[in-house]
Amino acid sequence: DTGVSQDPRHKITKRGQNVTFRCDPISEHNRLYWYRQTLGQGPEFLTYFQNEAQLEKSRLLSDRFSAERPKGSFSTLEIQRTEQGDSAMYLCASSLVQRVETQYFGPGTRLLVL
Amino acid sequence: EDKVVQSPLSLVVHEGDTVTLNCSYEVTNFRSLLWYKQEKKAPTFLFMLTSSGIEKKSGRLSSILDKKELFSILNITATQTGDSAVYLCAVEDGFGNEKLTFGTGTRLTIIP
Repeated sequence: DTGVSQDPRHKITKRGQNVTFRCDPISEHNRLYWYRQTLGQGPEFLTYFQNEAQLEKSRLLSDRFSAERPKGSFSTLEIQRTEQGDSAMYLCASSLVQRVETQYFGPGTRLLVL
Repeated sequence: EDKVVQSPLSLVVHEGDTVTLNCSYEVTNFRSLLWYKQEKKAPTFLFMLTSSGIEKKSGRLSSILDKKELFSILNITATQTGDSAVYLCAVEDGFGNEKLTFGTGTRLTIIP
């Protein structure tokens, strides 16, 4: 257990539905990252926050995806109008600023869109 | 766009063998290279390398970086079944965001 928690761990949904995932980082970590990992691939960066500010979003993050980190603590990732191509493992990580070796990953939320 | 290529994609060896995993990269502004082990869930940190030629070692695992040739290797000696996992290589760019670009990983299977 790295100290980063994610909820739910698994989600099955029908195409077109909205889903929301939650990440609770290590409490003293001010950076929070979302990655997506599909089968046989490494994690791909989606977006990151420093405290409550969203500082960068990947081109992979279409307008159906939105992430928030109110109050600089937990974060949510919402996918609207899910598509089968959204099926993946969504990983959250947190770290201290400029200390990449402290980037610890949560267990992930596995999403299956039917 | 930053790029990380790992080889081989998969490797099956017998317990006790020594393995070498490869990682080559292209990054516009290199800051560090990291190795992770991923079993069934989250990647777990193994090593961070920033300087060429300096070996990082932890038990039976070791890693070295060559910044001139843009690659790194991860060695595992006297492999055990518990070493079976996907080993991921990632690079951090130097823009101060600690964003990681990962390779596809090498799936290592150790046969007892």
